[in-house]
Amino acid sequence: AQTVTQSQPEMSVQEAETVTLSCTYDTSESDYYLFWYKQPPSRQMILVIRQEAYKQQNATENRFSVNFQKAAKSFSLKISDSQLGDAAMYFCAYRGLWGNTPLVFGKGTRLSVIA
Amino acid sequence: NAGVMQNPRHLVRRRGQEARLRCSPMKGHSHVYWYRQLPEEGLKFMVYLQKENIIDESGMPKERFSAEFPKEGPSILRIQQVVRGDSAAYFCASSPNSGAGETQYFGPGTRLLVL
Repeated sequence: AQTVTQSQPEMSVQEAETVTLSCTYDTSESDYYLFWYKQPPSRQMILVIRQEAYKQQNATENRFSVNFQKAAKSFSLKISDSQLGDAAMYFCAYRGLWGNTPLVFGKGTRLSVIA
Repeated sequence: NAGVMQNPRHLVRRRGQEARLRCSPMKGHSHVYWYRQLPEEGLKFMVYLQKENIIDESGMPKERFSAEFPKEGPSILRIQQVVRGDSAAYFCASSPNSGAGETQYFGPGTRLLVL
């Protein structure tokens, strides 16, 4: 079974600085999707960014980018120019390519942004 | 286009009562997923349904839990004879298709508290 590990329960960053959240996963599949979701205090789950494993180019969405290292099974999220509104729980998630596979989530990293 | 809707947003039940959680997917979405989030944990998959069919219920507890997605109306997650350990946030997500790359859009969740 696939597993997703987020080794940083909590992180903090100064406003306008850059922070990187770590995620590793375990799978025997060669093709899959990886996601980062944000959960602010409202508890709504919001998709931040996604990466297809067959693409070597790292995905970017405005201030959010990933460092996808397929061989190392690592998928970190970099947030540049951090803003107060970035404060939230961040969840890394995996989804296999074949069949009706659900999302497999890590336990999350709580990010605080310091003004 | 309204997002995924869940109701109620908060539900309080006494031990032994029944809890009914409703999820209306986004318009045009026929695939529904239910996830449970225990305190300080990531989301855990429970069940995947298409209209009138349960596709994957591998994450559902064997007893007391059931789910349906009728031809008309919302998807229902039903918990009979609730216990304190059922207290959690229950999230519904929908997608237009079942492909692994399809984004799952999450509802705001139902927070269940069992007294």
